[in-house]
Amino acid sequence: DTEVTQTPKHLVMGMTNKKSLKCEQHMGHRAMYWYKQKAKKPPELMFVYSYEKLSINESVPSRFSPECPNSSLLNLHLHALQPEDSALYLCASSPIGDLFHEQYFGPGTRLTVT
Amino acid sequence: QKEVEQNSGPLSVPEGAIASLNCTYSDRGSQSFFWYRQYSGKSPELIMFIYSNGDKEDGRFTAQLNKASQYVSLLIRDSQPSDSATYLCAASSSNQFYFGTGTSLTVIP
Repeated sequence: DTEVTQTPKHLVMGMTNKKSLKCEQHMGHRAMYWYKQKAKKPPELMFVYSYEKLSINESVPSRFSPECPNSSLLNLHLHALQPEDSALYLCASSPIGDLFHEQYFGPGTRLTVT
Repeated sequence: QKEVEQNSGPLSVPEGAIASLNCTYSDRGSQSFFWYRQYSGKSPELIMFIYSNGDKEDGRFTAQLNKASQYVSLLIRDSQPSDSATYLCAASSSNQFYFGTGTSLTVIP
């Protein structure tokens, strides 16, 4: 199984809502990542988890809160987002060892903030 | 200054030709380099990685790295219409990872 799954595929939320994005992999990968991608731009790294511990936070606003409950799951909790946070949110995972090497991406969650 | 730079294109090549994609990076601490392919509306897919100076070949793809010039390239031989996509160059160090802006490639049948 070389698949990273993400739910939901689409999400529309108001600025006062609280929602969560979910990512799951069953490849035994111990590094997991969240990226944000705006239209016609490259993905931007947000967070990196290594062995279920947050190892990199790229100065992301606190309205984005990551969580790694176990080695297969990665969540991104969203609260009080702004319209400019509308984007495709991508999750990725990779074997531990060399961080960032051989990342497998999920299909993404298309988020719209109204 | 952008960490990883690519010519955004679009780059158009006829079917069967060689497509050449180029990338430069600014951080001399970068150790690993990657080429991802992203079809429109899809997520990125890793197609090549390279760590050492020189060439690395995998099927129709050849990655080239020149650390002295801080330059990475990807050659696609016998280009097919299915190769039409955006190609993202990426560089990583121990705790940083950057994608370039991507080059849009169109292979014309």
